[in-house]
Amino acid sequence: QVQLQELGPGLVKPSETLSLTCTVSGGSITTYYWNWIRQPPGKGLEWIGYTYNNGSTDYNPSLESRVTISADTSKNQFSLKLTSVTAVDTAIYYCARGARGGNLYYYFYMDVWGKGTTVTVSS
Amino acid sequence: SYELTQPPSVSVSPGQTASITCSGDKLGDKFACWYQQKPGQSPILVIYQDTKRPSGIPERFSGSNSGNTATLTISGTQAMDEADYYCQAWDSSTVVFGGGTKLTVL
Repeated sequence: QVQLQELGPGLVKPSETLSLTCTVSGGSITTYYWNWIRQPPGKGLEWIGYTYNNGSTDYNPSLESRVTISADTSKNQFSLKLTSVTAVDTAIYYCARGARGGNLYYYFYMDVWGKGTTVTVSS
Repeated sequence: SYELTQPPSVSVSPGQTASITCSGDKLGDKFACWYQQKPGQSPILVIYQDTKRPSGIPERFSGSNSGNTATLTISGTQAMDEADYYCQAWDSSTVVFGGGTKLTVL
């Protein structure tokens, strides 16, 4: 079955760039929507964005100016870059597979999630 | 931007029915899904496309969506159902989560 694993540094300094990679096994990233979601300590889920269709992206408007999500189909991986981080970016970061469809009304759900990786922003 | 509102907490006695609501403008015109998250674990999809259950999700989990409100219903609630639950919808190429509801099984 499809499995996702997040990798990246657990500690990032303020003002620097957070970089994470999600490796997908058991399925190809050339289909579906590949998402990043984060969860600050003790708080709810926040969608960051996704990549699909070999490079197209959509982002959370509140983060769009700082976020880049890209895919490397040769490695079956997709990545997150978040620039100019501050303490409020401290969170568990999850990657997840998404499915979208419909005609007049669109559905979207995320059916496979990674275990998450904790990123702390601190000097 | 689109917003989804959930009650912060819901309590239920074992064996009873728990209902968790998710409100949003004309949410019934969109599709809602629901995730369960237990402490220290990743979220798990329990309902998608308003009413569908993924493979492996018990039949006691069901969903509905009409008007401005989507509802997750857990019939015969068990202690293992104690968790945080999040609704989610898609609007204008953006994925939106509700704030989450902590379900306590007393």
